[in-house]
Amino acid sequence: NAGVMQNPRHLVRRRGQEARLRCSPMKGHSHVYWYRQLPEEGLKFMVYLQKENIIDESGMPKERFSAEFPKEGPSILRIQQVVRGDSAAYFCASSPPKRTMYNEQFFGPGTRLTVL
Amino acid sequence: EDQVTQSPEALRLQEGESSSLNCSYTVSGLRGLFWYRQDPGKGPEFLFTLYSAGEEKEKERLKATLTKKESFLHITAPKPEDSATYLCAVQKETSGSRLTFGEGTQLTVNP
Repeated sequence: NAGVMQNPRHLVRRRGQEARLRCSPMKGHSHVYWYRQLPEEGLKFMVYLQKENIIDESGMPKERFSAEFPKEGPSILRIQQVVRGDSAAYFCASSPPKRTMYNEQFFGPGTRLTVL
Repeated sequence: EDQVTQSPEALRLQEGESSSLNCSYTVSGLRGLFWYRQDPGKGPEFLFTLYSAGEEKEKERLKATLTKKESFLHITAPKPEDSATYLCAVQKETSGSRLTFGEGTQLTVNP
């Protein structure tokens, strides 16, 4: 039973380049969440997606960041024109379709982005 | 503003020395409180969900409890392999599914 998969695990980009982070949810899970963990800070919510829909993007920076979860394939978090402040660990979590009002989120191993 | 505060920030225990970690929250309309464990360089690992005051859940040496203002994670007779950062998160009735995390308690258990 594979867990949440993220790749790459480590990503190095120079300032101004684009970063693409991929997340494959657990089998049977249709909800995906992205969180960011800045150095010495806690996990912060970024965006919540279901297949082909962005449900809540209240935690996403207004510029340069976008996310998608297409009908086929993994969820993608895209950061355009990266800056040093984007250096962080980005975690994806998934949860199953809601059968009740409660649902636990299961996290992937994260992608550690370093911007030079 | 919603707040989740964990204490202490760091805790050192000797193997077998029981203790508790605290998570206090000021959230209107709590839907659930979650505990996770995070090892260095890894993603958070789900431990427990608590939904209502008075609820308790146990798993091996860990026991989580919930009141209307805080949650405790009790660690009984810890072992070195329990060393990790323990994260608390809340989910509100009105904020959909997103989790708001505390900053964590870094636990070190010395043999």
